[in-house]
Amino acid sequence: GNSVTQMEGPVTLSEEAFLTINCTYTATGYPSLFWYVQYPGEGLQLLLKATKADDKGSNKGFEATYRKETTSFHLEKGSVQVSDSAVYFCALSDPIRGSSASKIIFGSGTRLSIRP
Amino acid sequence: IAGITQAPTSQILAAGRRMTLRCTQDMRHNAMYWYRQDLGLGLRLIHYSNTAGTTGKGEVPDGYSVSRANTDDFPLTLASAVPSQTSVYFCASSPDRSSTEAFFGQGTRLTVV
Repeated sequence: GNSVTQMEGPVTLSEEAFLTINCTYTATGYPSLFWYVQYPGEGLQLLLKATKADDKGSNKGFEATYRKETTSFHLEKGSVQVSDSAVYFCALSDPIRGSSASKIIFGSGTRLSIRP
Repeated sequence: IAGITQAPTSQILAAGRRMTLRCTQDMRHNAMYWYRQDLGLGLRLIHYSNTAGTTGKGEVPDGYSVSRANTDDFPLTLASAVPSQTSVYFCASSPDRSSTEAFFGQGTRLTVV
């Protein structure tokens, strides 16, 4: 079945550093791809998404490009801030067998900490 | 404020007890989901519902049941709690079956002792 693999954390960076969190996926068909963010003590929020190959999702300075040839959706940000400290989840949409519905499959999460 | 409300926020439960986690959304979304979040495992789908009156099993359904009597409510019941059900539980909803985006509640932290 479909799955997502993302780089393990924790990742610790200094403020204004460049960020990359790697994510690769295994899927049949053409799933939608997502990055969700979870701030301390909160639920998950959609950060960005891409629905087809070569699409670039972007939000709050973060970007990720849907690369079908490498089955990747790496998250990048040029200059991180302390407020970006959170857990980041790569995810994809996955059809539910025997149903017209889809669910979201999540990677294991990457904890990011930014030092002032 | 529109969104998803979960209750309780946290709970300590004795093993063997029955517990219902509540989830209510006011966005009129058709699809709803229950996930559990465990360290190092990300989020795993427990049960889902395409629309009111229908439910289905996810990746880890054993020990849990759900119902969807109306569009807004999607309670999750643990019939007889066990320590392995200690987790953070998230309810989510999406506008339609294709689930191109999901909206999450704040979570319920459950500890079974």
